[in-house]
Amino acid sequence: SQTIHQWPATLVQPVGSPLSLECTVEGTSNPNLYWYRQAAGRGLQLLFYSVGIGQISSEVPQNLSASRPQDRQFILSSKKLLLSDSGFYLCAWRGQSGDNSPLHFGNGTRLTVT
Amino acid sequence: AQTVTQSQPEMSVQEAETVTLSCTYDTSESDYYLFWYKQPPSRQMILVIRQEAYKQQNATENRFSVNFQKAAKSFSLKISDSQLGDAAMYFCAYRSAFMGNQFYFGTGTSLTVIP
Repeated sequence: SQTIHQWPATLVQPVGSPLSLECTVEGTSNPNLYWYRQAAGRGLQLLFYSVGIGQISSEVPQNLSASRPQDRQFILSSKKLLLSDSGFYLCAWRGQSGDNSPLHFGNGTRLTVT
Repeated sequence: AQTVTQSQPEMSVQEAETVTLSCTYDTSESDYYLFWYKQPPSRQMILVIRQEAYKQQNATENRFSVNFQKAAKSFSLKISDSQLGDAAMYFCAYRSAFMGNQFYFGTGTSLTVIP
């Protein structure tokens, strides 16, 4: 069965510090991978998605970046965090086949920028 | 980007009663997929139900069913025999069948179940 791992679960970082959140998927090949952000009391904002190694699409311009160095690894990064980067970050995957296949989410990372 | 609207920020229901959560979306496409996700206090996103736009029959999963009105661009979720474990945030999501990589989510409805 497929599983998704996302870490860390909680992170407190000062303004201006770097960020690296990691997500890996097991039990599937060539998944579509996604990073979403959920601000307090708000819905999910799509940040990045990837359909393959090295292929990253950005939905929202910001100081965040994403990389996919391996087929089942997706990394969210920032060189200098802003206060507005605080939020709940969710990684998700979807299989390449199956038109109605849903997103499967990790447990999320709660990021607090101080 | 597609727009998904959930006009009810909060809803409440008595245990064992039925509640309906609303969702509307804006699209010019004819083929797409719709989803309802549940996010309990643990914040784990859980798929509740999905609907293909080309199917006229409304999807059903146990106590959960949808009322899909394609012309009205409406996709409501009905929860029957509500249970305390149904208390959560519920998100409606849209995905195009043609440009199918992005999923667009509404802002969510917080459901409280009253014992």
